[in-house]
Amino acid sequence: IAGITQAPTSQILAAGRRMTLRCTQDMRHNAMYWYRQDLGLGLRLIHYSNTAGTTGKGEVPDGYSVSRANTDDFPLTLASAVPSQTSVYFCASSVDRGGTGELFFGEGSRLTVL
Amino acid sequence: AQSVTQLDSQVPVFEEAPVELRCNYSSSVSVYLFWYVQYPNQGLQLLLKYLSGSTLVKGINGFEAEFNKSQTSFHLRKPSVHISDTAEYFCAVSGPEYSSASKIIFGSGTRLSIRP
Repeated sequence: IAGITQAPTSQILAAGRRMTLRCTQDMRHNAMYWYRQDLGLGLRLIHYSNTAGTTGKGEVPDGYSVSRANTDDFPLTLASAVPSQTSVYFCASSVDRGGTGELFFGEGSRLTVL
Repeated sequence: AQSVTQLDSQVPVFEEAPVELRCNYSSSVSVYLFWYVQYPNQGLQLLLKYLSGSTLVKGINGFEAEFNKSQTSFHLRKPSVHISDTAEYFCAVSGPEYSSASKIIFGSGTRLSIRP
């Protein structure tokens, strides 16, 4: 069972470049999320989607955009990368939007912006 | 607004010793509480969760946590740790009034290192 697949696993990017982090799940979960993990700050929510066709802003959405064209895919795009976006990015999903449910995480995408 | 504080950024312990990872939350209403574990170079996975009922919650790998409403705490414990428990542990809080996993707030994490 694959669960959540993220790509790339690691990327070095020049500032100003556009980058899309891919996330695919095979669990047919309705809700999906993008977090960034920074040392000492834990995980912070960037964007989320409660169901295909809808998205919402999390705690730190600036500089990022998402789309949810279907249930399985939830790409995160950095339109013009900046060094402060250097981080480890995690995609997650849950069965539905309810706050009682378990979040399932991918293995992360490590992004370095120079 | 809800928040969660993990009091220790790092906890070193010897193998087979007991461990407690501390977590305090602030919320004016009912809460759901979670502990997630992140092994090196992996994503997070759920250890255990408290939604309601018994305040002592048992999770995977021999971990347990106790919900203490009066002290607003949800400390994670294990009576005897193993080298394989080396990981980062995250406490998280949500609540029924939010009704959305997008409102789960994560703590800053505690790195547990086990010494042989």
